Amino acid sequence: GIQVEQSPPDLILQEGANSTLRCNFSDSVNNLQWFHQNPWGQLINLFYIPSGTKQNGRLSATTVATERYSLLYISSSQTTDSGVYFCAPAGWYSGGGADGLTFGKGTHLIIQP
Amino acid sequence: DGGITQSPKYLFRKEGQNVTLSCEQNLNHDAMYWYRQDPGQGLRLIYYSQIVNDFQKGDIAEGYSVSREKKESFPLTVTSAQKNPTAFYLCASSSGTLYTDTQYFGPGTRLTVL
Repeated sequence: GIQVEQSPPDLILQEGANSTLRCNFSDSVNNLQWFHQNPWGQLINLFYIPSGTKQNGRLSATTVATERYSLLYISSSQTTDSGVYFCAPAGWYSGGGADGLTFGKGTHLIIQP
Repeated sequence: DGGITQSPKYLFRKEGQNVTLSCEQNLNHDAMYWYRQDPGQGLRLIYYSQIVNDFQKGDIAEGYSVSREKKESFPLTVTSAQKNPTAFYLCASSSGTLYTDTQYFGPGTRLTVL
């Protein structure tokens, strides 16, 4: 199946800072989603972005499918942005089969006031 | 309000017991999924169902069973055959296929085996 690597694994920032989270994946994808998991465990879908760029308020995401990576940008961080950010691609892999969403281990973000 | 509900929020089980986790959605989604999350890890797919009365094994189906008798409901049974069932269980749904559509998640059930 698809291999997913997220970086950095942990990130501590002051309120107001900007950050870039990276997701590398090993195979072609036709689906990629970014999720935020809050401290209570709820997963919130941020972006469905198999390719291109999208923006939603202070957050934006870019996926370059040909180079097999996706980036999540968070600007002007707030304490409520704290939590774990997961990248989850899905698609056809080089072994000849298809795969569902494969989650990376996530980036644990802490925003300090 | 449209959404996905899971119950119970917390569940304690004695070794050797089967337990069933509930997942209901009123989003009119065709596809539903069950994931398991262990501490510090991402989610792993247990089972998924793309239509009523049909379901497929995911990456870690051993020791689990599911049913899909209604479009709105996709219960997961954790059997005594699951060797390490303590985990956070998340249910999700999507309007389309496993590969191409946005998945929406419920609040999860934390299962602890005593």
